[in-house]
Formats: sequence, structure tokens, C-alpha cells
Amino acid sequence: GNSVTQMEGPVTLSEEAFLTINCTYTATGYPSLFWYVQYPGEGLQLLLKATKADDKGSNKGFEATYRKETTSFHLEKGSVQVSDSAVYFCVSMDSNYQLIWGAGTKLIIKP
Amino acid sequence: KAGVTQTPRYLIKTRGQQVTLSCSPISGHRSVSWYQQTPGQGLQFLFEYFSETQRNKGNFPGRFSGRQFSNSRSEMNVSTLELGDSALYLCASSLAREGAETGELFFGEGSRLTVL
Repeated sequence: GNSVTQMEGPVTLSEEAFLTINCTYTATGYPSLFWYVQYPGEGLQLLLKATKADDKGSNKGFEATYRKETTSFHLEKGSVQVSDSAVYFCVSMDSNYQLIWGAGTKLIIKP
Repeated sequence: KAGVTQTPRYLIKTRGQQVTLSCSPISGHRSVSWYQQTPGQGLQFLFEYFSETQRNKGNFPGRFSGRQFSNSRSEMNVSTLELGDSALYLCASSLAREGAETGELFFGEGSRLTVL
């Protein structure tokens, strides 16, 4: 079946560092891909998405590019802030419209 | 526009009891999904309802059930509670259409259930 694998956390970085959170998926066809974020004490929210190969989703300085060759959707940000500390989930949507969630990666940004 | 509202926010039950959680989706959203979130298992999909019909179901025992009303509000019920049912239960709504889904979910803040 479909699955999503993302790097284990926690990932700890200093402010202004470059961020990459790796995500790979297995699926038949080309699923839509998403990154969701859960800030401390807040509900989960959609961060960005890409619906077809080579699409780049972006929001709040974060980017992720849909790479069908490597079946990846890595999340990147050029300069992280303390306020980016959160748990990040990589998600794919299968052909039955069911969302397949990664395990989540906790990101800790130190000032 | 009001967000997804879940009630109650916190509750404590004992083993063997049953619990009902409620979710009011964003106005106009016809799809409601439920998730269980625990530190050990992460986010686990329970079920999804669209226009009062269960459209998808996760891999949970029959003690977990849900329903959706004509106004799109949804409830989930857990019977014969076990210690392992302690978790944050999240509800999400989406602007899904028949036979289509954007994957863009709007989550509530969750109902935190503690089973003693």
C-alpha cells in the first residue's frame, strides 16, 4: 500500500540555519502531496501542497518540490526562526482520496 | 468564518466507560474526518464522513464509531474504553465534493481524552 516516510526527529537547529526535512513516498500513480504543521498548543494546519510532478509548493518561506524521479517531497527553508519550532507532517493523498500521513518530524529552533 | 469546533476539549473517563466527542465543521464543509494522535503512534486515521455517509475507514476496532448529521456536524463514540485509548482526538473538515477531495483539511484543536 501507499506510505510516507519522513526523517525522524527531533531536528535541532540554530536560528537562521538552513532547514531540510526529508520526505519520500510510495504510491501507484502520482498522488497529491502536502506538508502540514502543528505549532505548540495549536491545531494542525496545511503549510503547502503540490498536486503534480515538478510542482513547487511554497508558504511562509518554506518550499517543497514534487520529485517523481526520486518520489520525494523534501521541505526546505533558507533561514529558520524560533517561531518555526513545530511538528511537521508529510502527507500524500491516495486514489481513494485518503490521506497517508508520515510520522511527523519535531523541529526545535534555538535562538 | 468560524473554524472547526470540537467539544469537549478535555475529559477524563475510567476503563469500561464510553465517550462521545463532537465536531462542528466549518460552514459549508461537507466532509469530516477523525484522527487519533498519540506520542507513540503519531497521527492515525479513524474515519471520514461525507454527506452523512462513511467514505473511508481506518484500521481501528469496532469500539470506535462515528456518524454525521444532516448539518454536517459529526460525533465519534468510543465504547468500553481502554487505557490505550488515551489520546488527542482531532477532527478536520474539508470542502470535499462528491468523488473528489482537495486534501486540504482544517483541523480543530482536539479533544484530549484521558482514560484511568
